[in-house]
Amino acid sequence: QQQVKQSPQSLIVQKGGISIINCAYENTAFDYFPWYQQFPGKGPALLIAIRPDVSEKKEGRFTISFNKSAKQFSLHIMDSQPGDSATYFCAASPSPIFSGGYQKVTFGIGTKLQVIP
Amino acid sequence: DAMVIQNPRYQVTQFGKPVTLSCSQTLNHNVMYWYQQKSSQAPKLLFHYYDKDFNNEADTPDNFQSRRPNTSFCFLDIRSPGLGDAAMYLCATSTAQGQNTEAFFGQGTRLTVV
Repeated sequence: QQQVKQSPQSLIVQKGGISIINCAYENTAFDYFPWYQQFPGKGPALLIAIRPDVSEKKEGRFTISFNKSAKQFSLHIMDSQPGDSATYFCAASPSPIFSGGYQKVTFGIGTKLQVIP
Repeated sequence: DAMVIQNPRYQVTQFGKPVTLSCSQTLNHNVMYWYQQKSSQAPKLLFHYYDKDFNNEADTPDNFQSRRPNTSFCFLDIRSPGLGDAAMYLCATSTAQGQNTEAFFGQGTRLTVV
């Protein structure tokens, strides 16, 4: 059962364009939604994260939009650059209070983003 | 400076020959995780340690074991690697303080089984 659905699986965007990756979740116990960026041969690194008490969070060119009622969230990369080319994973986890005190993160399938000059 | 360090970066092992992957952290985090990531797939949690308490995911095969001798180190042992165990193995850490916090990942060990 795929608890976090992510689309598209691959995305090609021109330099300067907007990259949009969408995710949807099913588990209403999720209350933390991080996005991870992974370059080839490297481990994932946290890019930006949001909690469901806000509808949007922006850090530089990266923005998360969150729709709690629809159980959907998305990542927007403004002014996309070739250096943004990587695989992006959305993820979700419940409060550690409900998972034995640890961060039980469920990842989406990933989106391979290619930004072309 | 690397905070979660995995060794080796690349490991080649023979079919059925036990192999150990190692992870160390300088963050003093309570929780350490091992994930398996196959090509073009999402990382899949195998198990985690909360301090010294070991917690296995229900669908993790018995072939995978782990040891955490102290806060800083954690090992992944694969007792009899099969061809299907070829993957990137990721170690991660996080604090456990009642609130969701960032999980820090190492660079991974890419395991090849021949």
